[in-house]
Amino acid sequence: GAGVSQSPSNKVTEKGKDVELRCDPISGHTALYWYRQSLGQGLEFLIYFQGNSAPDKSGLPSDRFSAERTGGSVSTLTIQRTQQEDSAVYLCASSGRTGQGGYGTEAFFGQGTRLTVV
Amino acid sequence: AQSVSQHNHHVILSEAASLELGCNYSYGGTVNLFWYVQYPGQHLQLLLKYFSGDPLVKGIKGFEAEFIKSKFSFNLRKPSVQWSDTAEYFCAVRRSGSARQLTFGSGTQLTVLP
Repeated sequence: GAGVSQSPSNKVTEKGKDVELRCDPISGHTALYWYRQSLGQGLEFLIYFQGNSAPDKSGLPSDRFSAERTGGSVSTLTIQRTQQEDSAVYLCASSGRTGQGGYGTEAFFGQGTRLTVV
Repeated sequence: AQSVSQHNHHVILSEAASLELGCNYSYGGTVNLFWYVQYPGQHLQLLLKYFSGDPLVKGIKGFEAEFIKSKFSFNLRKPSVQWSDTAEYFCAVRRSGSARQLTFGSGTQLTVLP
């Protein structure tokens, strides 16, 4: 597609339920990022995928959080047993390679998924 | 690990005032630097970027930034702000030469009074 697409745009869930958030990156982009943005906070890095390499999971806040990227394209962020502190906007971004074989253009962001845990 | 500091959390200016937002990073190697903007209700958009070459970078909407390697800084400037510049501004850093995560600062909320 023309841009990064995230779904759903809004999600309200009950505490303790599992949720799945989807990200469809720009076609051909090899890098995909997940961030979390809480009210009044900056962007908190969660996880990073680059091609077929092992993902950088260093930002995942707990083992309730996981993400996968199938076929090097679509990614799903899963939060198990959601807690109220998980309420935030979850942002996905993708970036591609420069023409000279470098490791990245700028990151392009989706509109985000606003997650509310009640 | 690299980190990014934006010391101004909230800046309030009148229209036509000049703007400078600070950004410092901690990584000592070669970096790619970015400024993103988030207008109310909209997604993050790139304002400008630095990869190499001229350390004074010009972006969209009259914004510019200067990379000062010795100070590990990449401050954002605009000579005359407009009400429509009201938004949150984020500085971001990525180590160049390898596929790495992109690290963001905590953001600066700019409010421009008409």
